Amino acid sequence: AQTVTQSQPEMSVQEAETVTLSCTYDTSESDYYLFWYKQPPSRQMILVIRQEAYKQQNATENRFSVNFQKAAKSFSLKISDSQLGDAAMYFCGSSTGTYKYIFGTGTRLKVLA
Amino acid sequence: DGGITQSPKYLFRKEGQNVTLSCEQNLNHDAMYWYRQDPGQGLRLIYYSQIVNDFQKGDIAEGYSVSREKKESFPLTVTSAQKNPTAFYLCASSTSGINEQFFGPGTRLTVL
Repeated sequence: AQTVTQSQPEMSVQEAETVTLSCTYDTSESDYYLFWYKQPPSRQMILVIRQEAYKQQNATENRFSVNFQKAAKSFSLKISDSQLGDAAMYFCGSSTGTYKYIFGTGTRLKVLA
Repeated sequence: DGGITQSPKYLFRKEGQNVTLSCEQNLNHDAMYWYRQDPGQGLRLIYYSQIVNDFQKGDIAEGYSVSREKKESFPLTVTSAQKNPTAFYLCASSTSGINEQFFGPGTRLTVL
C-alpha cells in the first residue's frame, strides 16, 4: 500500500528565515513521483515542486527545494527567505501511475512578520 | 489561459436533494479527478477518469456519481444517499496517472 505521512501539523517561521517541512512515504513501486502542493486561504491547490524518483538530483524551484532521501523514503521541502505569502497549508503527495494519488494530512505554515 | 474551472463556488443544498458540481478543463488532459476535503484533513479521492467514457470509483464513492462524456468535462453529482455531504470539493486533471495534477478553485457545498 502507498502511504504519505506529514508529522508536523503546524510550523512557524520568521519572515526571511528558512523552514523545512517533513514528509515520509512508503511504496513498493520503483517508479513514482513526489509532489509538494500549497493550499493558501483561497483553498486552491497549487503545485510547488515535483520530484521523479529516478532522478538523483534534488528538485529546485526558486526559493523552494527538496531533500529527497530515497533509501529513507523521506521528501522534505525547504523554503528559503520565507515571505508572508508563503503562509498556507502544504501537502505532500505521491503517485505511482495508478491514477490514485496519495496525499498527507498537511502542515500549516505560519510566517511571522 | 489554460486551466480548470469549477462552478459554483458556493452551493447550498437541502437534505434529500441531488446537486451537480461542474468541472471543466481546457488543458487537453486525459485524466480527471474529484476529491473531497474536510476540515483538518487531506484529500480523499471520490472518482477518477482516465479517458472519455470511462471512470472508476475512488476511496469514498458511495453517494456520488459522475459522467465523462467529453474530454473537457467531468461533473460530479452528490446524491441524497450521501450521508454527510457538507465539504469542500476539488476537481483536478493530469496528462497521465503519474504526472502532477492541476486543480480547480473548488466548490464549497453546504447542506442546510
